[in-house]
Order: sequence, then C-alpha cells, then structure tokens
Amino acid sequence: AQSVAQPEDQVNVAEGNPLTVKCTYSVSGNPYLFWYVQYPNRGLQFLLKYITGDNLVKGSYGFEAEFNKSQTSFHLKKPSALVSDSALYFCAVRTIYNQGGKLIFGQGTELSVKP
Amino acid sequence: GAVVSQHPSWVICKSGTSVKIECRSLDFQATTMFWYRQFPKQSLMLMATSNEGSKATYEQGVEKDKFLINHASLTLSTLTVTSAHPEDSSFYICSARDRTGASSGNTIYFGEGSWLTVV
Repeated sequence: AQSVAQPEDQVNVAEGNPLTVKCTYSVSGNPYLFWYVQYPNRGLQFLLKYITGDNLVKGSYGFEAEFNKSQTSFHLKKPSALVSDSALYFCAVRTIYNQGGKLIFGQGTELSVKP
Repeated sequence: GAVVSQHPSWVICKSGTSVKIECRSLDFQATTMFWYRQFPKQSLMLMATSNEGSKATYEQGVEKDKFLINHASLTLSTLTVTSAHPEDSSFYICSARDRTGASSGNTIYFGEGSWLTVV
C-alpha cells in the first residue's frame, strides 16, 4: 500500500532561521512527490514537485526539497524562514499506477515561524 | 499556475436539505477531478474521483447516494450533499489535473475549498 508520513505534527522556527519539514513515503514503483501549503480556511497551494531528474527541486516562495531515494524521503526546506511561512504543509505522493492522478497525502505539519 | 475555482466558498443549510458545490477548472481541461473532505487541522480525506462522462469512483466508506458527483464537462464537476446532517459539516476541497498542459506536467491543482455548515 502507498503511504506518506510526516513525522512532526508541528515545527517551530525563529524568523530568519532555516526550516525543514520532513516527509517519507512508501510506494511501489517510481514516486511523483509534491509539497502543498494551506493557509487557514483556504485550499491547497502547490509549492513544488519531483517527477524525475535532479534530486534537488526548487519551488515557490524560496522553498526547495530534496528527493532521497535510498531514504525514501522528500524533506521540504527553506534557508531563511519568514513569519508569513506559518501555515499547514502537506507532502503527497502518486505513481503512474494511481488512477488519473490520485494523490496520497501525509497528515500535515503545522509550521509556526516566530518573529 | 492553473486555476481551479470552487463555489460557494461558504454555505449554511438546514438539516435535511441538499447543497451543491461546484468545481471548475478555469484555464485547462480536466478529465479527472477529485473531491476531498478535511476536518480542522487534519489531512485531506479523498472522497471520490470524478471522471468526465462516466460515473465517479468512490472511496471505501463514502456513501455514493449521499455525496452525488457529476462531471458533466471537461471543466466542471459538482458535489451534491443530499439530505445533509450536522455531521456533514466540513471543509470540502476539489482538485483537478491538467492532462493536456505539458508545462504543468503531473501537477494537480486545488480549489479554494467550500465550508459547509449544516444547522
């Protein structure tokens, strides 16, 4: 069965410090990996994705993520956190076997950036 | 990026009535759309996969007669909550995949969500 794990319910970071939001996955076959951000009472905004190619993926708002096949991880990172980055972050995975692109989501990590 | 529009953003209805939520892909065609339900500060729970021109595929435990899905065109899917009860109150989010846009690759875009409150 396919699954995604985000081991931290909450991550607290001081503004200006680097941040990491962790994600590990379990799939059969090659994964397509995604990060989305959700602000309160809003839908999900796409941040970045890994499909193939370079393991380091750069996305929106200065975020990046590194695909690590041996560790089955896709951690989200940002060199310098902003207060406005505070939100709920979701990691998601699919494979070519998922009907029409069905995504499997992690449970979400709430990022809190304090000034 | 591609835009997916949901309407209404907020809706309050009386118990026993039905309410319809629309999901539109504004600048791309989506043969497949997905409907999710989300409780506060929790992950998204996939309810069903909506396929243009055919029946929706429901996830285990989701009542297809209660959550009616219609995907009548390549840009519109609707979710109708029939005979709504207070326990149906939730945040409903749709998503759509642009299969024709080469630049979007395999990205799935989400609507802004619809808050349903059943009183």
